[in-house]
Amino acid sequence: KAGVTQTPRYLIKTRGQQVTLSCSPISGHRSVSWYQQTPGQGLQFLFEYFSETQRNKGNFPGRFSGRQFSNSRSEMNVSTLELGDSALYLCASSLGPGLAEGVQYFGPGTRLTVL
Amino acid sequence: EDQVTQSPEALRLQEGESSSLNCSYTVSGLRGLFWYRQDPGKGPEFLFTLYSAGEEKEKERLKATLTKKESFLHITAPKPEDSATYLCAVQALNNAGNMLTFGGGTRLMVKP
Repeated sequence: KAGVTQTPRYLIKTRGQQVTLSCSPISGHRSVSWYQQTPGQGLQFLFEYFSETQRNKGNFPGRFSGRQFSNSRSEMNVSTLELGDSALYLCASSLGPGLAEGVQYFGPGTRLTVL
Repeated sequence: EDQVTQSPEALRLQEGESSSLNCSYTVSGLRGLFWYRQDPGKGPEFLFTLYSAGEEKEKERLKATLTKKESFLHITAPKPEDSATYLCAVQALNNAGNMLTFGGGTRLMVKP
């Protein structure tokens, strides 16, 4: 079974630009979560989607947004990029929101560098 | 607010030297505690889920245990390939979804 895939793997942008990252969950998984990982803050939760609806949102500014499609694939968008947005963006998928379905499996991440 | 603290931040072991990693947590109600392994440049790899105090799980040289306030990841006779960052995370009962709150991780280095 294929794992979580994320594209692109690496991205370089300049301040003020916007970026869109894509995530394809494990086949059959309906829940997708996004995390930001930086050396200083560690892994921080961005948002979670289930059945195309946002279920949870972390403490990030409105420049960070996401969506989920009917095939469970998800995208996240960051507008007006800042230097501090440089990070590894990780997508994780799980079967669903239930207790037994809650194990999250992570993709390899997208390394975003903002210059 | 849910909090997870891992110690030590870094740990150097000789091959075969057993040790334990600690994860202390504060959560309004624990739904599950998760251990992940992360290699440089890769996403976290799922290891274990623990749901209630007293629960234990094992996988090869790793054993995870859970109490009401902390979890331990015991590494028995580690090998160099066990070198990685080990992450602990919690899911809270009052959380409608699967959101994880992570600790800062323990960077383990095993020397041959």
